[in-house]
Amino acid sequence: EVQLVESGGGLVRPGGSLRLSCAASGFTFSNAWLSWVRQAPGKGLEWVGHIKTKTDGGTTDYAAPVKGRFTISRDDSRNTVYLQMNSLKSEDTAVYYCSTYGSGRKFDYWGQGTLVTVSS
Amino acid sequence: DIQMTQSPSSLSASVGDRVTITCRTSQSISSYLNWYQQKPGKAPKLLIFVASVLQTGVPSRFTGSGAGTDFTLTITSLQPEDLATYYCQQSYSTPTFGGGTRVEIK
Repeated sequence: EVQLVESGGGLVRPGGSLRLSCAASGFTFSNAWLSWVRQAPGKGLEWVGHIKTKTDGGTTDYAAPVKGRFTISRDDSRNTVYLQMNSLKSEDTAVYYCSTYGSGRKFDYWGQGTLVTVSS
Repeated sequence: DIQMTQSPSSLSASVGDRVTITCRTSQSISSYLNWYQQKPGKAPKLLIFVASVLQTGVPSRFTGSGAGTDFTLTITSLQPEDLATYYCQQSYSTPTFGGGTRVEIK
């Protein structure tokens, strides 16, 4: 069974940093593209970014609102993907989900999400 | 970015009703359209990909159709457990989601 478990959310002040983790199991992690998707309170879904497998170059891509502030990385030895968030703004307040990003750019499996609140 | 317009934004229907949700894109995306279901307080779940292919384990009362710029998600016989918000997502380019359709049970 595929499982994705996010952690690391919490309250942070504007301008601060936070690192989210997503531990995966139930599939061959090193073969999977992975993505982060967020959802502001009461709002819809917004793709944040993704990371490819090392075989596919390990490259990343980001949505415009977070480019230059957020960094996605992966540790295949730990079956974990990370989201480093810097220079946080109030508009980054959201539940952050990690997801497998399957062929055809579909979000196959999702974690339960972790809440990030940016407030003074 | 490709813009996604879902309609209606919410609907209320009775158990057994046929429910239709539409998604329109700002440019042609062939069949690169996926649908997700998000139940209250839960993570989204993939229902349908490439417009009409049912994800494993999804009940057959969910069907998807369309191509180009106009797509439809149909629930052929609404069940109480279908209470959720439904999102479309284009996978033709950098992913974007529709605004969601909240489905309530009368």
